[in-house]
Amino acid sequence: DTTVKQNPRYKLARVGKPVNLICSQTMNHDTMYWYQKKPNQAPKLLLFYYDKILNREADTFEKFQSSRPNNSFCSLYIGSAGLEYSAMYLCASSLRVDNQAPLFGEGTRLSVL
Amino acid sequence: GDSVIQMQGQVTLSENDFLFINCTYSTTGYPTLFWYVQYSGEGPQLLLQVTTANNKGSSRGFEATYDKGTTSFHLQKTSVQEIDSAVYYCAMTLMSNYNVLYFGSGTKLTVEP
Repeated sequence: DTTVKQNPRYKLARVGKPVNLICSQTMNHDTMYWYQKKPNQAPKLLLFYYDKILNREADTFEKFQSSRPNNSFCSLYIGSAGLEYSAMYLCASSLRVDNQAPLFGEGTRLSVL
Repeated sequence: GDSVIQMQGQVTLSENDFLFINCTYSTTGYPTLFWYVQYSGEGPQLLLQVTTANNKGSSRGFEATYDKGTTSFHLQKTSVQEIDSAVYYCAMTLMSNYNVLYFGSGTKLTVEP
């Protein structure tokens, strides 16, 4: 199975409530990424794990958390959702070898009301 | 900084028309260049990729040529079909940077029968 799976596909959340998005892959990829996609904007990297090492982008450092309890699984956590978090969240995975094209999941569409 | 620019937000064509989507990039590093395609309801999937060593890529009738002089990586197809309707993203990774993708903002292609 060479796919990246994301759950749920759609998520409705209330302002101020936590949100947890899940991603998994069975290809033994050592690197997993989370991107945020808003309408008419480029997908934006939020963070990535290389093995157990988390790398977060400076401008989203305090807004998103993540965990990777094993090689196959990675979550994205929002402690208190705001309206600005409404977006598509894309998970991807890859091997840390130059020129490897990351493989994407189908995405989770988050709507915050 | 490192960036990818797609100026065309939307393109509408008729079947058998010629497709040309502009993409330019900016980096001081060593890029690998990609085109991803995202069909409705799915995640982005790799269409083709090119490294600086081999400057042309092709897949499913699509072609892209890497031009270091103009820092461009335009996507072309001689004769589009309705099934090609999708969003196309130009993207790049940089050497030794964990295959983190820098995306353009995407071009929505609509092919009318």
